[in-house]
Amino acid sequence: SQQGEEDPQALSIQEGENATMNCSYKTSINNLQWYRQNSGRGLVHLILIRSNEREKHSGRLRVTLDTSKKSSSLLITASRAADTASYFCATDDFNKFYFGSGTKLNVKP
Amino acid sequence: NAGVMQNPRHLVRRRGQEARLRCSPMKGHSHVYWYRQLPEEGLKFMVYLQKENIIDESGMPKERFSAEFPKEGPSILRIQQVVRGDSAAYFCASSPPTGQGGPSLHFGNGTRLTVT
Repeated sequence: SQQGEEDPQALSIQEGENATMNCSYKTSINNLQWYRQNSGRGLVHLILIRSNEREKHSGRLRVTLDTSKKSSSLLITASRAADTASYFCATDDFNKFYFGSGTKLNVKP
Repeated sequence: NAGVMQNPRHLVRRRGQEARLRCSPMKGHSHVYWYRQLPEEGLKFMVYLQKENIIDESGMPKERFSAEFPKEGPSILRIQQVVRGDSAAYFCASSPPTGQGGPSLHFGNGTRLTVT
């Protein structure tokens, strides 16, 4: 299975701190994506990084990809209470998308 | 410019009844995916469809579950003779044709199925 697995399962930080979540996967990928899910809602796409990229930024988000280690990290800088959600990585296998179990982030005001 | 629409949001069925979950993809999207999520868990891939074609149903249970995406109308996930273990949130996602702004997924807000 190519399914990504996130680490840690849960993370609790104070507003203003940075949050780092990691994702590991098993086989080669075309790209890796990060999604966010608020409680009771569907997932929202955050950022995509292609297999030939090493780092990508979008606002307060920074994603890295290390294909030799089959891992990715998502960094949220200067976190806000509104960032409280679950975060999932997803790998793409010929238009099939596999999700990990997610990291549950709690940002305390 | 509606997003992915799923209905109903909540569905309660007794054991043995049928559940029909509907999904209308975003305008212009021809790929539909169904995922299942248990509480505090990630999304499990079930099926990937294009109009009138099932591309990959490797995540679907062999019995009682079926999916379709007809030429006209929404995609339907059908669960026959539901059991308590079918209780979960079912999410639909869509994406545009390959090479047209993909490959990210756009999700609906899910249907929460409760089997009593």
